[in-house]
Amino acid sequence: QVQLVESGGGVVQPGRSLRLSCAASGFTFSINGMHWVRQAPGKGLEWVALIWYDGSKQYYADSVKGRFTISRDNSKNTLYLQMNSLRAEDTAVYFCARINNWWIDYWGQGTLVTVSS
Amino acid sequence: QTVVTQEPALSVSPGGTVTLTCGLSSDSVSTSHHPSWYQQTPGQAPRTLIYNTNSRSSGVPDRFSGSILGNKAAVTITGAQADDESVYYCLLYMGSGIWVFGGGTKLTVL
Repeated sequence: QVQLVESGGGVVQPGRSLRLSCAASGFTFSINGMHWVRQAPGKGLEWVALIWYDGSKQYYADSVKGRFTISRDNSKNTLYLQMNSLRAEDTAVYFCARINNWWIDYWGQGTLVTVSS
Repeated sequence: QTVVTQEPALSVSPGGTVTLTCGLSSDSVSTSHHPSWYQQTPGQAPRTLIYNTNSRSSGVPDRFSGSILGNKAAVTITGAQADDESVYYCLLYMGSGIWVFGGGTKLTVL
């Protein structure tokens, strides 16, 4: 069965960096695009970034553009989110999610990132 | 900046029917936005309900149906049950690789 397992969350100071990982299993990782989606405490879902199945294109929400980088290693079945210049407003649970054509069909359980001094 | 609008909160009686909508601040929602709907209960990851406007995800009961109503995407729950009490989010594809979630609708079944 499809499994997406995020890791790498934690507490980080403002201005510092953090890299999230999402380990995928149960499907052919290299044929699906992938999203990162986040949810601040008590708030709604926010789309963060998308990467094509082969890593050739990446797209970002304005709120993270220039600070976050989405990437993938298809040989390791792993999705990444490099987060630089972190701000308090980046505090959220970060979900990785699999794209099926134009929608999300599978979600990970999320990893919590807390940006605080 | 594109804003996707949803009712902040709705309520429905058990067995009743309720429609949740998903609109755009400055445009009409159409099938080309590939609207999809997700259900989330506290502390859980979202669950995919509806995709491509009106297709139900695997295992989703047929009391959930998706559509375009006027200039908005919509999901209708017919015969609401207690465990439908959740927050529902729509997701629209805005083109050029950009997706936007709505703010979510908190549905109460009472």
